Amino acid sequence: AQTVTQSQPEMSVQEAETVTLSCTYDTSESDYYLFWYKQPPSRQMILVIRQEAYKQQNATENRFSVNFQKAAKSFSLKISDSQLGDAAMYFCALNSGGSNYKLTFGKGTLLTVNP
Amino acid sequence: KAGVTQTPRYLIKTRGQQVTLSCSPISGHRSVSWYQQTPGQGLQFLFEYFSETQRNKGNFPGRFSGRQFSNSRSEMNVSTLELGDSALYLCASSLGLAALNEQFFGPGTRLTVL
Repeated sequence: AQTVTQSQPEMSVQEAETVTLSCTYDTSESDYYLFWYKQPPSRQMILVIRQEAYKQQNATENRFSVNFQKAAKSFSLKISDSQLGDAAMYFCALNSGGSNYKLTFGKGTLLTVNP
Repeated sequence: KAGVTQTPRYLIKTRGQQVTLSCSPISGHRSVSWYQQTPGQGLQFLFEYFSETQRNKGNFPGRFSGRQFSNSRSEMNVSTLELGDSALYLCASSLGLAALNEQFFGPGTRLTVL
């Protein structure tokens, strides 16, 4: 079985500052993918960033970057220069890939951005 | 290109009834996955359909079923509704198998069971 744990139910950040959302996971697979999804109040889930487990380099997408620590099974998301539009529920997700696909989500972290 | 669409957006049913939800994927996408989102359990994978075949299934009872048509549109059916089935049901489409491709989510169908 695979699990994803987000230990921070809620986080807040001041506009223009940096915030880091935590995620730990567990899987017995050696080949897997990790994702951060954003779900704004409108409810449309959007992919923020993805990381392939075999890649050592941390993924980056503009103001979003991850700190992937494979040995520690940790996958945190850093949002730099936070904007009001970043306010949303953020979900960490794990896909162990292969033919037995199952995307497992964490419980989510609600991010509030204060002006 | 139009995004993933789901109909209806809101639905109210009573216990014991059955319900069918519809999902139209992005044009060209062949995989559709379904998820249930509740405050208590979070997001849980229901099943994935690819080329009209169910490829994978989550840990849900047989009351939850689905199908996919030749145009990749998918429907999900829940029979003998229970109060606990109240949830936001999300579908996501991808070009190929969900295991290997980015998924694009629809806005969801909010199901309330009374």
